[in-house]
Amino acid sequence: RKEVEQDPGPFNVPEGATVAFNCTYSNSASQSFFWYRQDCRKEPKLLMSVYSSGNEDGRFTAQLNRASQYISLLIRDSKLSDSATYLCVVSVEYGNKLVFGAGTILRVKS
Amino acid sequence: GAGVSQSPSNKVTEKGKDVELRCDPISGHTALYWYRQSLGQGLEFLIYFQGNSAPDKSGLPSDRFSAERTGGSVSTLTIQRTQQEDSAVYLCASSSRQDNEQFFGPGTRLTVL
Repeated sequence: RKEVEQDPGPFNVPEGATVAFNCTYSNSASQSFFWYRQDCRKEPKLLMSVYSSGNEDGRFTAQLNRASQYISLLIRDSKLSDSATYLCVVSVEYGNKLVFGAGTILRVKS
Repeated sequence: GAGVSQSPSNKVTEKGKDVELRCDPISGHTALYWYRQSLGQGLEFLIYFQGNSAPDKSGLPSDRFSAERTGGSVSTLTIQRTQQEDSAVYLCASSSRQDNEQFFGPGTRLTVL
């Protein structure tokens, strides 16, 4: 079983749609959680950290359920520029190696 | 300031040759990480340097892989006797403190023929 599992997609949505991605992780000792974004043939970039209480950054909302070992990302009012691969990432120790999911592909179409 | 830089951006080599990949982290960042990403796969952790501590080499796939970090700054990842399955994008990241964001370089795309 992979340490971090994501639905690979692709998710094809129209502009303005709301889309949600889910992710599960296997290591109950995981302490830090993130969503990274990776554009085609580019390096990953941090989209947002995920906190236990849930957090929001503009159109993006991240939630964590430690009991179910589940992380989610909600994107509202999708833009064409949101098209990318979204990587679910966990870390067992603060600042230590990141464990990446294989990513979920999002395609936003006009 | 400058971000993480890596060189070369692309490397094509023949099976059995050795290659060296270089990473220049963001100035002042004490933590440096190497990952690799194979086609259609997630990123795979390789090795982690933090200050003067012994590196965490737990992700290196075989003893053909090694890495150094000189002077707490530049790092070199060496792959000896390359194999076709080593073909991937090798990504370097750095962070300023243990709990800070990791910033990634653009990667080195390695192709082993």
